[in-house]
Amino acid sequence: EVQLVESGGGLVQPGGSLRLSCAASGFTFGTYWMTWVRQAPGRGLEWVSVIYIGGSTYYADAVKGRLTISRDNSKNTLYLQMNSLRAEDTAVYYCARVRYYDSSNNWFDPWGQGTLVTVSS
Amino acid sequence: QSVVTQPPSASGTPGQRVTISCSGGSSNIAYNYVNWYQHLPGTAPKLLIYKNDQRPSGVPDRFSGSKSGTSASLAISGLQSEDEAHYYCGAWDDSLNGPVFGGGTKLTVL
Repeated sequence: EVQLVESGGGLVQPGGSLRLSCAASGFTFGTYWMTWVRQAPGRGLEWVSVIYIGGSTYYADAVKGRLTISRDNSKNTLYLQMNSLRAEDTAVYYCARVRYYDSSNNWFDPWGQGTLVTVSS
Repeated sequence: QSVVTQPPSASGTPGQRVTISCSGGSSNIAYNYVNWYQHLPGTAPKLLIYKNDQRPSGVPDRFSGSKSGTSASLAISGLQSEDEAHYYCGAWDDSLNGPVFGGGTKLTVL
């Protein structure tokens, strides 16, 4: 069974850091693009970042320069290093596997259950 | 404010057919595939429709997707109580150079 399990969320002060992890199982992790999507309280889904098989990374403008996506294929794990956190980063963060037709046409399946990040003093 | 818009809510009675619309523009829906996701709060979002009208294995054929121009629709026939959830459309946006989601539609089964 394909499964994604996020961890690492919690309460952090503005300006602080946090690292999220996403443990993958049931598929050959290293052969898939992976992505992070977040959902702020009462809001919709917002794409955060993607990492390709070769390690290329792309970010939403709202997080560029503060959040860093990475992967460790030997551990079947995706990461999101979150620095200089702001109140507006408060959200449930989901990891997902990317399926694609081409770089501009892709979809996310499956998703993890999410991990909550709260940025507050 | 998302560049792709959905009605905030929709409703229907059991057995009814409901449709949820998704409106975008030339930088997203017009030339890129539309996908649909079902999300119950506290759970993992689930892929319902990909490439405009394709169903992943395991998704009932009560769910169908379509696209025309800069708009797309999700139709749910034979509405069931377990269909009560939030539904999101998504597509790549060439201007933003990333995927965008609609604001989501909360479906209530009366």
